[in-house]
Amino acid sequence: DTEVTQTPKHLVMGMTNKKSLKCEQHMGHRAMYWYKQKAKKPPELMFVYSYEKLSINESVPSRFSPECPNSSLLNLHLHALQPEDSALYLCASSQDTGTPNQPQHFGDGTRLSIL
Amino acid sequence: SQKIEQNSEALNIQEGKTATLTCNYTNYSPAYLQWYRQDPGRGPVFLLLIRENEKEKRKERLKVTFDTTLKQSLFHITASQPADSATYLCAPRNTGGFKTIFGAGTRLFVKA
Repeated sequence: DTEVTQTPKHLVMGMTNKKSLKCEQHMGHRAMYWYKQKAKKPPELMFVYSYEKLSINESVPSRFSPECPNSSLLNLHLHALQPEDSALYLCASSQDTGTPNQPQHFGDGTRLSIL
Repeated sequence: SQKIEQNSEALNIQEGKTATLTCNYTNYSPAYLQWYRQDPGRGPVFLLLIRENEKEKRKERLKVTFDTTLKQSLFHITASQPADSATYLCAPRNTGGFKTIFGAGTRLFVKA
């Protein structure tokens, strides 16, 4: 079992739907991340939150909207997605962002399919 | 632009042998290099970190080397087991900044 919990594990949605992915960690980490991973590719960074503030947006389309309600929770709101957005969405956390030697702890992801 | 290269072909080895995976990087001067393991349908799991001033790091059957002159890290699994079969990702990290960029990963298959 991972220490970062993601829900749901699987999500199928139409292009007009609105849904949210959730991520939770209780390790006291102050940095949280969203990654997108396509099959046989490495995880690609989407967003970084540091101390509940958005620090990095890797030019992600506005149909993806992140939210960090508190230090333990991270959401990714989805709206009007495209079929090419189908992927595994991974959440990760680390102690903070100022110490690059800190490892990231990943959840097992949400497998998203856009019909 | 920054580039990270790992063996694109899958690595097939016999149980008990040593697996050696390569990570090469260009246009990068990482202060740290991390290795992760990823199983199908799961998130990556951190294995080892090596600093630029360390030549070698060991943890149980794992060994990582870091050659900043060659711009290369080698990841060794000794006495490999079928349970070691997974994709292994390297991630060089610069000092400062929030980003971790992963290599494409090498898929390892250990046959019994």
